Amino acid sequence: GAGVSQSPSNKVTEKGKDVELRCDPISGHTALYWYRQSLGQGLEFLIYFQGNSAPDKSGLPSDRFSAERTGGSVSTLTIQRTQQEDSAVYLCASSRYGTSKGPDTQYFGPGTRLTVL
Amino acid sequence: AQTVTQSQPEMSVQEAETVTLSCTYDTSENNYYLFWYKQPPSRQMILVIRQEAYKQQNATENRFSVNFQKAAKSFSLKISDSQLGDTAMYFCAFMVTQGGSEKLVFGKGTKLTVNP
Repeated sequence: GAGVSQSPSNKVTEKGKDVELRCDPISGHTALYWYRQSLGQGLEFLIYFQGNSAPDKSGLPSDRFSAERTGGSVSTLTIQRTQQEDSAVYLCASSRYGTSKGPDTQYFGPGTRLTVL
Repeated sequence: AQTVTQSQPEMSVQEAETVTLSCTYDTSENNYYLFWYKQPPSRQMILVIRQEAYKQQNATENRFSVNFQKAAKSFSLKISDSQLGDTAMYFCAFMVTQGGSEKLVFGKGTKLTVNP
């Protein structure tokens, strides 16, 4: 079946602009995760969604970052007033059950490369 | 806090030979999960292998196997009969489950090059 998809593949924006990154998880997967991959910080957890539960936002680096998941499926990560340090690859992953049935394997999308000029 | 350390930033191996990538981690938990992911230049993170800490038997997936030493908190990946397509970044990851949430904590990665 189809894997996790993300759009756009690449995004170039100017400092101060807002950007939206989209993630379509694998059909039927109840858990969705966002990670950020940068040269300086490596791979960092940003946010976790599980079904209708309140998301775990503990990894979001500032209040300029927000995410939502509509209808338990598609997710959008929004970065407001982008800064140059936001430049990174943003990876989305999904898993079938998340924590609801014990730790689960996460399947990743191809990522969105964000460049802030 | 859980941490994952990959001490080899880069490695290279000849095609058809065997290579081992190192990973150590730090945790006070007794039950947990460990993963190796591969990231080729396409950026797609691909699951290579997974190990449950409560299982004493080392996980194996075709040419990929792990040496899981729980007491030493070591989780190395062995790639046998290396192929050119194995060239990629390899990330070791530890799954943290807490308060109804879960996340992967990754090491810094090892860049593996398979030479013809």
